[in-house]
Amino acid sequence: QKEVEQDPGPLSVPEGAIVSLNCTYSNSAFQYFMWYRQYSRKGPELLMYTYSSGNKEDGRFTAQVDKSSKYISLFIRDSQPSDSATYLCAMSDSGGSNYKLTFGKGTLLTVNP
Amino acid sequence: DSGVTQTPKHLITATGQRVTLRCSPRSGDLSVYWYQQSLDQGLQFLIQYYNGEERAKGNILERFSAQQFPDLHSELNLSSLELGDSALYFCASSVSPQGYYEQYFGPGTRLTVT
Repeated sequence: QKEVEQDPGPLSVPEGAIVSLNCTYSNSAFQYFMWYRQYSRKGPELLMYTYSSGNKEDGRFTAQVDKSSKYISLFIRDSQPSDSATYLCAMSDSGGSNYKLTFGKGTLLTVNP
Repeated sequence: DSGVTQTPKHLITATGQRVTLRCSPRSGDLSVYWYQQSLDQGLQFLIQYYNGEERAKGNILERFSAQQFPDLHSELNLSSLELGDSALYFCASSVSPQGYYEQYFGPGTRLTVT
């Protein structure tokens, strides 16, 4: 079982839709949860960061973490064509000196005008 | 633009060859991370340097090595290249060694091994 599982999609939605992106994980030591957005032929850019469980909102984006279920989500409200990209979840624990990020494989999202 | 620069953008080389990828971190960032992204494996952490010293190691092959120089730029050396090494290689940087969320990625180097 991979440490982080993410549905690769592709996911295609009409403009204005609410998008739900999800990841599950197996390592209970993960404490830090991130969502990155990656446009085609570009490097990933950090969208949201959450520590431990709970919700975090930033504009049209909401990140949720449920540590009891080992499940994280990213919601995009009022989706726009400019949101079309690959979304990567990433996680890290705070153990020792190893702060590496473990990424999901990414979900390809297309928002159609 | 994240402020992290990587050269070259594209690299095409033959099996068995050796290449060097270069990364300059954001101004003020002391930590550099290298990642490999392929369709099969996704984004995989390779190695981290902090202020010139190796800090953490991930799934880095013995044929690969890296270093960070006094001016904080970093190089990733890939040798005895195989077809399976074809991938996107990203560098990221952060201010602190604990860059578990604040990593800023460069545009990547696309390596094609023929």
